[in-house]
Amino acid sequence: QVQLVQSGAEVKTPGASVKISCKASGYIFTAYYMHWVRQAPGQGLEWMGMINPGGNHINYAQKFQGRVTISRDSSTVYMELSSVRSEDTAVYYCAKPPLGVYYGMEVWGQGTTVTVSS
Amino acid sequence: NFMLTQPHSVSESPGKTVTISCTGSSGRIAASYVQWYRQRPGSAPTTVIHENDQRPSGVPDRFSGSFDSSNSASLTISGLKTEDEADYYCQSFDGANVVFGGGTKLTVL
Repeated sequence: QVQLVQSGAEVKTPGASVKISCKASGYIFTAYYMHWVRQAPGQGLEWMGMINPGGNHINYAQKFQGRVTISRDSSTVYMELSSVRSEDTAVYYCAKPPLGVYYGMEVWGQGTTVTVSS
Repeated sequence: NFMLTQPHSVSESPGKTVTISCTGSSGRIAASYVQWYRQRPGSAPTTVIHENDQRPSGVPDRFSGSFDSSNSASLTISGLKTEDEADYYCQSFDGANVVFGGGTKLTVL
């Protein structure tokens, strides 16, 4: 079955960078977009960006432009957030869209908790 | 900026039917499909509806999605169970950005 397995929890100091991975299995990885979504404590879902199947077209939410980098290789998608601050403390999710609706989400990773603290 | 608006909370009794609305700004919801996600406390979201009204396999037919030409979408849950208590989010697309609604807390009491 389709699975997205994310890397483990991270604790970072302000100003550092964090890179999270999302390893996919159970489907044709190279045929689908992938999204990154985050959720701060007690808050709603916030879209960060998406990467196309070829890895050569990436849309970032304006809020994160210049600070986030999404990339992919043969089976894994990565999200790197730089210059982190306390407001970046959140659970980060990768999500695979359904066939035919690249901007939706069908299967979600388990989430990666990032804590930013001095 | 394109926005989706949901009620902050709804509540209903077990066995009843509840509908959660999702209203788009600027008349733009009609341009893209709407998805709905359920999130139980401490868990990752799961998809209950995609492409306005399609249920992923494993989602019971108590869950249904609809789309209204007056710029809104709805998620209806019938035969409510206590396990349906969760946060529900709608989601769509403005051509460049994925947009989520603010979420609706469903209480089943």
